[in-house]
Amino acid sequence: DTEVTQTPKHLVMGMTNKKSLKCEQHMGHRAMYWYKQKAKKPPELMFVYSYEKLSINESVPSRFSPECPNSSLLNLHLHALQPEDSALYLCASSQDKASVETQYFGPGTRLLVL
Amino acid sequence: AQSVAQPEDQVNVAEGNPLTVKCTYSVSGNPYLFWYVQYPNRGLQFLLKYITGDNLVKGSYGFEAEFNKSQTSFHLKKPSALVSDSALYFCAVRDFTGGGNKLTFGTGTQLKVEL
Repeated sequence: DTEVTQTPKHLVMGMTNKKSLKCEQHMGHRAMYWYKQKAKKPPELMFVYSYEKLSINESVPSRFSPECPNSSLLNLHLHALQPEDSALYLCASSQDKASVETQYFGPGTRLLVL
Repeated sequence: AQSVAQPEDQVNVAEGNPLTVKCTYSVSGNPYLFWYVQYPNRGLQFLLKYITGDNLVKGSYGFEAEFNKSQTSFHLKKPSALVSDSALYFCAVRDFTGGGNKLTFGTGTQLKVEL
């Protein structure tokens, strides 16, 4: 089973709202990732967690705040977003962050910021 | 930095014909290359990867890719295309720049398979 689940599937929020995206995997993977994808564009890496510790932050604005409460769960907390933050947010996981490991992606959360 | 290029924004092919989606890479050291497919309003699905070994890699749904070191290419192929193969295809490479470890994607190729 290579399933990564994400909730919600769709989210509409105002610029003053606070919301969270959730990602879950039960494959025993120890690396988890957040990507942002604009329409017809490749995914762009935002954050990498390895063994529940933040490993990479790709200079993401502080209005995005990741959290990894345990090895199966990854959250992305959103606050004071801008309309240009509207995108598909993808979560992925891999066995660990070693070079040969495949990343498996969830279906994504489509976010619209009004 | 490691990078991949997908020279074609769109590829059109008739159902039943062979298909090729092109990818070239630029890396320092050994390339670790991946292909993913994305259907509309969906996440990315892993198709196959090249780490080492045989240059011809077989993957999911009848897809395969040929690693060519002299041409720095990793083209995705399928002998007989299906309409259901119509989707957005991404080539990716592991990028170790700056001590990190991440996937860097190509710009994507839209594959359209027509009856």
